[in-house]
Amino acid sequence: AQSVTQPDARVTVSEGASLQLRCKYSYSGTPYLFWYVQYPRQGLQLLLKYYSGDPVVQGVNGFEAEFIKSNSSFHLRKASVHWSDSAVYFCAVSAHGNEKITFGAGTKLTIKP
Amino acid sequence: EAAVTQSPRNKVTVTGGNVTLSCRQTNSHNYMYWYRQDTGHGLRLIHYSYGAGNLQIGDVPDGYKATRTTQEDFFLLLELASPSQTSLYFCASSDIGTSEVFFGKGTRLTVV
Repeated sequence: AQSVTQPDARVTVSEGASLQLRCKYSYSGTPYLFWYVQYPRQGLQLLLKYYSGDPVVQGVNGFEAEFIKSNSSFHLRKASVHWSDSAVYFCAVSAHGNEKITFGAGTKLTIKP
Repeated sequence: EAAVTQSPRNKVTVTGGNVTLSCRQTNSHNYMYWYRQDTGHGLRLIHYSYGAGNLQIGDVPDGYKATRTTQEDFFLLLELASPSQTSLYFCASSDIGTSEVFFGKGTRLTVV
C-alpha cells in the first residue's frame, strides 16, 4: 500500500525567505510523485510532478522539488516566498500515474509580511 | 484547461437522509475520482472510475455509492447520511498518460 507523510501541519515563514515543505512517501516500486496547492475556497492545482529523469523537478511560480529515493522523500522548495504563496500544500503519490493517487494530510503555509 | 464542475456547492441534510453529489467534466477524461477532505486527513479517495459504467473502490468507501453514467458524469450517493460524512467533497478527473488531476471547487456537505 502507498502512503504519504507530511510531518508539518503548519509552516510560517517571512516573505522573501526560503521555504522547504517536507514529504515522505511509502511505496515499494517507482512512484509517481506530485505536489498540489490549494488556495482558499478552491480545488487543488498541480504545482509539479515527477516520475523519472532528473530528480530535481521545476514547477510553477518558482517551486521545485527533489526526489531522493534513498530517503523516500520529495521535499518542496522555493528560494524566496511571496505573500501570495500562502495556501495549503499537498504531497501525493501514485503507483501508475492515474490510479489511486494518495494524498498527504497537507501543510498550511503562512507568509509573514 | 480542463473543467470539472460540481453541484451543489453546499448542501445540508439530516441524519438518515439521501444525498446525491454531481460532477461533470468537459474534457472527455477517462478517469474520474471522488475525494473527501477533512482536517488532519488531507484528501481521501472514496471511489474512482476508468470510464462509463466502471467503478473502482477507493480507500474510504463505506457509506458511499458512486455511479459513472457517461464519460462526463460521475455521481456520489449517500443513501443514509450520517454526521461522520460531514465533509468537503472534491471531484476530479484525469486523462490516461498525463497523470495530472484536475479538481472541481468542492461541495461542502453538512449532515445534522
